[in-house]
Amino acid sequence: QTVVTQEPAFSVSPGETVTVTCGLASGSVSTDHYPSWYQQTPGQAPRTLIYNTVSRSSGVPDRFSGSIFGNKAALTITGAQADDDSDYFCALYMGNGIWVFGGGTKLTVL
Amino acid sequence: EVHLVESGGGLVQSGGSLRLSCVASGFSFKSYYMSWVRQAPGKGLEWLAYISGNSGIPVYYANSVKGRFTISRDNAKNTLYLHMNNLRAEDAATYYCVKGVSGYFFDYWGQGAAVTVSS
Repeated sequence: QTVVTQEPAFSVSPGETVTVTCGLASGSVSTDHYPSWYQQTPGQAPRTLIYNTVSRSSGVPDRFSGSIFGNKAALTITGAQADDDSDYFCALYMGNGIWVFGGGTKLTVL
Repeated sequence: EVHLVESGGGLVQSGGSLRLSCVASGFSFKSYYMSWVRQAPGKGLEWLAYISGNSGIPVYYANSVKGRFTISRDNAKNTLYLHMNNLRAEDAATYYCVKGVSGYFFDYWGQGAAVTVSS
């Protein structure tokens, strides 16, 4: 069973930069996993932020960026704003039409 | 504008069955692969099933639902389905219909259908 890991929670002040990572319990994340990132606020459906590791979805502010950081995928928010207070989930494509989501990271901006 | 609207959720007894539907609009439904993703209360997202565009073949499932859930599509009705059998308490969740894109990610999400399983 594939396990995708994320930090459970982060707390930052407005204007700070935060990096959320997405790893594999066994192995390394690469661009071949086509990492994607989703933002979810309470009571709402997820919203797509980043796809194919680094590409921003339409309408996503450029303070959100994606990368590979060591052996993990990473979502960086540069200059966090109050509106960014949300849950963030990564997803990795494992091949053969199968995806695995990470457990999610709760970001608090205060 | 893309819209995905789920329906069919509700309360079902343990061991029972339910069929979720997702009506799609705003894009060429038949051309895109689709998936179902669920979220148990207070928990994370879990990918469940994939169906290819056009013919609807192949399909793939997460181990947690393989053999109990069936994904299907009716391209003439622009509708995606999830047939759920032998439901368990741990299947209680909000079920999201999601549109897939080449590049292996999901670009649009429905608002979700809530499923409650009683013992």
